[in-house]
Amino acid sequence: AQTVTQSQPEMSVQEAETVTLSCTYDTSENNYYLFWYKQPPSRQMILVIRQEAYKQQNATENRFSVNFQKAAKSFSLKISDSQLGDTAMYFCAFMKGTTDSWGKLQFGAGTQVVVTP
Amino acid sequence: DGGITQSPKYLFRKEGQNVTLSCEQNLNHDAMYWYRQDPGQGLRLIYYSQIVNDFQKGDIAEGYSVSREKKESFPLTVTSAQKNPTAFYLCASSKPGQGNEKLFFGSGTQLSVL
Repeated sequence: AQTVTQSQPEMSVQEAETVTLSCTYDTSENNYYLFWYKQPPSRQMILVIRQEAYKQQNATENRFSVNFQKAAKSFSLKISDSQLGDTAMYFCAFMKGTTDSWGKLQFGAGTQVVVTP
Repeated sequence: DGGITQSPKYLFRKEGQNVTLSCEQNLNHDAMYWYRQDPGQGLRLIYYSQIVNDFQKGDIAEGYSVSREKKESFPLTVTSAQKNPTAFYLCASSKPGQGNEKLFFGSGTQLSVL
């Protein structure tokens, strides 16, 4: 079974600063996907970024980027130029790359990010 | 606009009562999922369905039941056998296949026990 660990329950960052969230996972699979989801106070789950394990290049989406270290099984998220709207719970998630596993995500416990003025 | 609609937003259950959470999607997605979220925890998979008239248990299926009679609909029943039903329930859908790894989530239903 896969496990996903987020070791930081809460992080605070000032506007315009950078914050990095950590995520480690445990798997014996070679083909898989990793995700960061954001859950603001509205509780809507929003996909922030995704990474395919077979791609060595780190994914980026505007101010969000990841540091994917496959050998270390680490998948951290960097939020640059933090904005007040980034305040949310952030979840790291893992999905096996097989057809029968599609949509079956294993989530970490989450990291609450608070952006202060 | 296409999306996933969950209803109701808030639901209260009495002891011994079954309640049903609604999930409807108009994204033409084949697969649908139910996740449960408890405070301070990530989401956990309850049930999923990859095609109409077929569904599979997830990691925490005990005390729950589902049906998938239509592609658009995937209702979840929380039965009286679920002893700790208070949680936030999220429905999601996807179109399985390479390049379609994103899950689309509804806005959730908060279930509480009276």
